[in-house]
Amino acid sequence: TQLLEQSPQFLSIQEGENLTVYCNSSSVFSSLQWYRQEPGEGPVLLVTVVTGGEVKKLKRLTFQFGDARKDSSLHITAAQPGDTGLYLCAGAESNYQLIWGAGTKLIIKP
Amino acid sequence: NAGVTQTPKFQVLKTGQSMTLQCAQDMNHEYMSWYRQDPGMGLRLIHYSVGAGITDQGEVPNGYNVSRSTTEDFPLRLLSAAPSQTSVYFCASRRAGGSADTQYFGPGTRLTVL
Repeated sequence: TQLLEQSPQFLSIQEGENLTVYCNSSSVFSSLQWYRQEPGEGPVLLVTVVTGGEVKKLKRLTFQFGDARKDSSLHITAAQPGDTGLYLCAGAESNYQLIWGAGTKLIIKP
Repeated sequence: NAGVTQTPKFQVLKTGQSMTLQCAQDMNHEYMSWYRQDPGMGLRLIHYSVGAGITDQGEVPNGYNVSRSTTEDFPLRLLSAAPSQTSVYFCASRRAGGSADTQYFGPGTRLTVL
């Protein structure tokens, strides 16, 4: 079974700072997704990356898929309190199955 | 569109009781799935369905049953609840195009088994 490790598990920073969270595996995925989950709600998809080396930007969020499609990173510029949440990555193992990381809990303090 | 809906929002059961968690989607998605989410662990797949009348087991299927009689509904049944089944349960749906398609999640059911 493939595993996805996310780091750090927990991050608390001040508003305006930059941060990067990571999603790593020893296995290759055909695609990788990032979700954000707020308390009491289900995860919401932020982005899907498919091609090795791909970089996608979503306003202040930058997502990168590693060249070997084994790892990914999420960089947030000038973090805001609205970015607070649990960030989950999920790798596509097959047409039906996603392998999920345990998540990075992010708190942005005003 | 209501998206994916789940009921109930919260539930407390005693060990040995049975219950059904309801899930419905109005997006005509072929693929539906049930996950459980526990602290410090990723989402774990319980059961999934690729269409009406078709279901299959995921990573942690023991103690749970599912059926898919319609495209819209995908209920999860706990046969005899155990404390180890205390968790938050999420239902999700997507088109049948593949794992890279957007998966839509319901708001979750928080289940406590005493």
